[in-house]
Amino acid sequence: DAKTTQPNSMESNEEEPVHLPCNHSTISGTDYIHWYRQLPSQGPEYVIHGLTSNVNNRMASLAIAEDRKSSTLILHRATLRDAAVYYCILKTSYDKVIFGPGTSLSVIP
Amino acid sequence: NAGVTQTPKFRILKIGQSMTLQCTQDMNHNYMYWYRQDPGMGLKLIYYSVGAGITDKGEVPNGYNVSRSTTEDFPLRLELAAPSQTSVYFCASSWDRVDSYSGNTIYFGEGSWLTVV
Repeated sequence: DAKTTQPNSMESNEEEPVHLPCNHSTISGTDYIHWYRQLPSQGPEYVIHGLTSNVNNRMASLAIAEDRKSSTLILHRATLRDAAVYYCILKTSYDKVIFGPGTSLSVIP
Repeated sequence: NAGVTQTPKFRILKIGQSMTLQCTQDMNHNYMYWYRQDPGMGLKLIYYSVGAGITDKGEVPNGYNVSRSTTEDFPLRLELAAPSQTSVYFCASSWDRVDSYSGNTIYFGEGSWLTVV
């Protein structure tokens, strides 16, 4: 079973910030938190990852709770091209990677 | 870099036929994975490999076989195709170093659309 839980769907207005939550209460000390997104009819693509500290890149920001049991992917200004399924997974060495159903993000013009 | 390459992109199989989905990566990644994705659903892990000669079952291995004779290639074999195997198949790979920079980012292929009729 997936080690993470996410809301099934979320909506956002275009050009507004979006906060996508993820719960991972059984995270271990060696687990990295990864976020991927899947656009329609495409393979998933990497968005961002982190271990303990908050992370920023050109696509998004990742806020990690102090106890690491939850995290939030932040899209600062949603565009129509951000409409996708977003997956939060835990990644560690020498272990299989299980994806949950993810969050389907709709962006309203 | 080509990344992760899957072939074929589209295939129609008849019930009972067999076929192999090919996957190759040019990033020298140790880890490789096969996922399937049914319409409107998430990714399900079929098999994975942590290096040449080593494979292990994922969540839904029944009806499939894999081999990993080289670092680059990870073919997925479907034996006796069934309509339940109609799906999109994704191959993926990742590096095996756990560090703050790479974090084992997973790279996916573009997918193989398989229909069994």
